[in-house]
Amino acid sequence: AQSVAQPEDQVNVAEGNPLTVKCTYSVSGNPYLFWYVQYPNRGLQFLLKYITGDNLVKGSYGFEAEFNKSQTSFHLKKPSALVSDSALYFCAVRALAGGATNKLIFGTGTLLAVQP
Amino acid sequence: GAVVSQHPSRVICKSGTSVKIECRSLDFQATTMFWYRQFPKQSLMLMATSNEGSKATYEQGVEKDKFLINHASLTLSTLTVTSAHPEDSSFYICSARGLAGGLYEQYFGPGTRLTVT
Repeated sequence: AQSVAQPEDQVNVAEGNPLTVKCTYSVSGNPYLFWYVQYPNRGLQFLLKYITGDNLVKGSYGFEAEFNKSQTSFHLKKPSALVSDSALYFCAVRALAGGATNKLIFGTGTLLAVQP
Repeated sequence: GAVVSQHPSRVICKSGTSVKIECRSLDFQATTMFWYRQFPKQSLMLMATSNEGSKATYEQGVEKDKFLINHASLTLSTLTVTSAHPEDSSFYICSARGLAGGLYEQYFGPGTRLTVT
């Protein structure tokens, strides 16, 4: 069965420090991987995706993520956090095989809190 | 580009009534639309997937007679919550996938907060 795990409910970081939000996945076949951000009472905004190619993917607002096939991980990173980055972050995977090819499977979300 | 809108953004209805939520793709043709619900501080739960002109495919445990989905055109899908109960109160989010983004990306609407009293 396909699944996504975000092991941290919350990540706290000081403004200006680097941040990492962790994500691991389990799928049959090659995955499409995504990161979304959600602000309070809003829908999800797309940040970045990995489909194929370079393992390091750069996305919106200075975020990047590294696809690691051997560790089945897709951690979200940013070199220098801003207070405005504080939000709920979701990792998602779309399987290319195994019967669930049409669905995005979401992790449980990680609340990022950036302190000034 | 690739904007998805939802209407209304918030709705309050009385128990036993029905409420309709609209989801529109504003600048692309959505071949597939998805409806999710999200409880406070929880992840998105996929309710159903619909392709234009076809019946929706519901996830296990989602009552299709209660949550009616219509994907009448390539830019519009509606979710009707019939005979609403307080436990239906939730944040409903639609998402659309189409030719924008090369079929890889889903674009999400801003969500609709439903409160059933």
